[in-house]
Amino acid sequence: AQRVTQPEKLLSVFKGAPVELKCNYSYSGSPELFWYVQYSRQRLQLLLRHISRESIKGFTADLNKGETSFHLKKPFAQEEDSAMYYCALTSGSARQLTFGSGTQLTVLP
Amino acid sequence: SAVISQKPSRDICQRGTSLTIQCQVDSQVTMMFWYRQQPGQSLTLIATANQGSEATYESGFVIDKFPISRPNLTFSTLTVSNMSPEDSSIYLCSVSKSAEAFFGQGTRLTVV
Repeated sequence: AQRVTQPEKLLSVFKGAPVELKCNYSYSGSPELFWYVQYSRQRLQLLLRHISRESIKGFTADLNKGETSFHLKKPFAQEEDSAMYYCALTSGSARQLTFGSGTQLTVLP
Repeated sequence: SAVISQKPSRDICQRGTSLTIQCQVDSQVTMMFWYRQQPGQSLTLIATANQGSEATYESGFVIDKFPISRPNLTFSTLTVSNMSPEDSSIYLCSVSKSAEAFFGQGTRLTVV
C-alpha cells in the first residue's frame, strides 16, 4: 500500500531563511507526487507537481526515487508562505490522492 | 480548472442524527472524491463517487455509514449517518481535472 510521510508537524523559520519541508513516500509503482498548500481560511490548492518540474512562488521539489523523497524547498522564505503544506501521491486510474499528515509552516518576521 | 461549492460549511449535530453534505461542481466530471480530515490528522479518502454506479469505498468506510449519491456529472452528496462524536471532522469534496485535484471549502462537522 502507498504511504506518504511528513516527519515535521510544525516548522518555523525566519523571513529570508531557507526552508525545506520533508516528504518521503512508499509506493510500488511509478509515483506521481504533489505538494498541496492551504493558506489560512482558504481551500486546499495545488502548489506544484513533480512531473512539471516547475517553480511556483519560489518553491521547488525534486523527486528522488533512490531516497523515495519529494522534499519541498525555498531558498528565501516569506511571511506569506506561512500555511499548511501537504505532500500527496496519486495512485490508480481514478487519480485519488494519498496525503501525508501535513506540515504547518510559520515564517517569522 | 474546477470550482466546487460545498455546503453546509459547518454544522453542529446531535449524536444519532444524520447530515447530508452537498457538493456542486461548475463542470462535468467523471469522478468525485470524498475525504475526511479528523482533528490534527491528514486527509483520508472515504470513497470515490461515479455517476451511474455505486460509489467505491476505501477500507474502513462502509456504505451504511456514509451513503453517497451521484445523480449527475456535476453533483454529489455524502451523508454521515447515525453520528457519534468520533465523526467530528472536516469533510471535503474533490474532483480531478488535468491531473490536478480541486477541493471544496470543506464542511466542519461537530457532533455533540
